[in-house]
Amino acid sequence: DADVTQTPRNRITKTGKRIMLECSQTKGHDRMYWYRQDPGLGLRLIYYSFDVKDINKGEISDGYSVSRQAQAKFSLSLESAIPNQTALYFCATSAGQYTEAFFGQGTRLTVV
Amino acid sequence: SQQGEEDPQALSIQEGENATMNCSYKTSINNLQWYRQNSGRGLVHLILIRSNEREKHSGRLRVTLDTSKKSSSLLITASRAADTASYFCATVATTSGTYKYIFGTGTRLKVLA
Repeated sequence: DADVTQTPRNRITKTGKRIMLECSQTKGHDRMYWYRQDPGLGLRLIYYSFDVKDINKGEISDGYSVSRQAQAKFSLSLESAIPNQTALYFCATSAGQYTEAFFGQGTRLTVV
Repeated sequence: SQQGEEDPQALSIQEGENATMNCSYKTSINNLQWYRQNSGRGLVHLILIRSNEREKHSGRLRVTLDTSKKSSSLLITASRAADTASYFCATVATTSGTYKYIFGTGTRLKVLA
């Protein structure tokens, strides 16, 4: 089984719909992250969490919200999806600042 | 934006040649990491270099770091077709007691057999 699992892997949704992307990890790490990847822009940080009670906005948090249900689970919600939120979304986890980040396989989201 | 930038954006080489890609960043860092991404898949960690290190090796990978120029380079020696992927640098900086990973825009490497 993968260390970081994202569901769904692919999703097409309509403008205005609420959608949740889920992430779970088996690494036992406290730190979890959500990134968005767009062609030519690399990965941009949406939200990050250092423990269940700690949620922080990244550089592009507008239009998104998150929930840290447990140490192993970190969900990303689009409250009212819009077409420019069409992107590849990644969840990641890390043990600390001097360690690597482990990534999920990504969720490809298309908003039509 | 805090994002770093990789250079070149795309690189095409023959199998057996060396590939060099560069990363520039904007903030003071604790460490810098390189990741590989195969097409549309998750990123995989390659190597980490701390801010007090200047060079690090791992197999066919060699990473250098120049904190005075806020830049790093990744060298892949004797490239193989399987090295075809996108490569990203990520800086880890501490701000107000917390830290986060900031990724660059990536270099797309194509190794021709």
